[in-house]
Amino acid sequence: EAQVTQNPRYLITVTGKKLTVTCSQNMNHEYMSWYRQDPGLGLRQIYYSMNVEVTDKGDVPEGYKVSRKEKRNFPLILESPSPNQTSLYFCASSLAWNTEAFFGQGTRLTVV
Amino acid sequence: GQQVMQIPQYQHVQEGEDFTTYCNSSTTLSNIQWYKQRPGGHPVFLIQLVKSGEVKKQKRLTFQFGEAKKNSSLHITATQTTDVGTYFCAGDSGAGSYQLTFGKGTKLSVIP
Repeated sequence: EAQVTQNPRYLITVTGKKLTVTCSQNMNHEYMSWYRQDPGLGLRQIYYSMNVEVTDKGDVPEGYKVSRKEKRNFPLILESPSPNQTSLYFCASSLAWNTEAFFGQGTRLTVV
Repeated sequence: GQQVMQIPQYQHVQEGEDFTTYCNSSTTLSNIQWYKQRPGGHPVFLIQLVKSGEVKKQKRLTFQFGEAKKNSSLHITATQTTDVGTYFCAGDSGAGSYQLTFGKGTKLSVIP
């Protein structure tokens, strides 16, 4: 089954404790991206990757890092989480940057 | 940068009534996509429009892309409770930007 898998689904952490949210897709898609969703703000892109070892900043990259060492995986790293990073995060993948995007189930992160 | 405005932000309708959400871009789009997010779920791709003036139908859903390729609409005929959710449009300018810009979404509530 074609899918994008994110882990964990829920995470509560403390300010400053590094964390990683994993994302994996099984569709051999080249383009992957991370979004955060906040009430009233819709989906905002954090980072995207055109292919292995090719990443670039989205609209709200501050406080986040990503890597793309393998085609299927695109982890999101928060080196020093802060409460303003409390949000719902989605990973998405697509064949190309402007084609149908497949979203993961989401990760609800709370930073206290 | 490119902005995609979506209205209304919320819409409450009686079951059986029609519903329309509108999407407007500050720049000409090469294509536009529509997604639906059920409560507690993740965005799911509905359709992509590419051609100026294009109209596509999916059962009770009708999607339009404006002649100038700067606006789009999604119309649902005779809403059902299964239509509940948030509808997002997403556009790309096709001008060297490898990002989709999402509207903030229209949250549809259907009163049985």
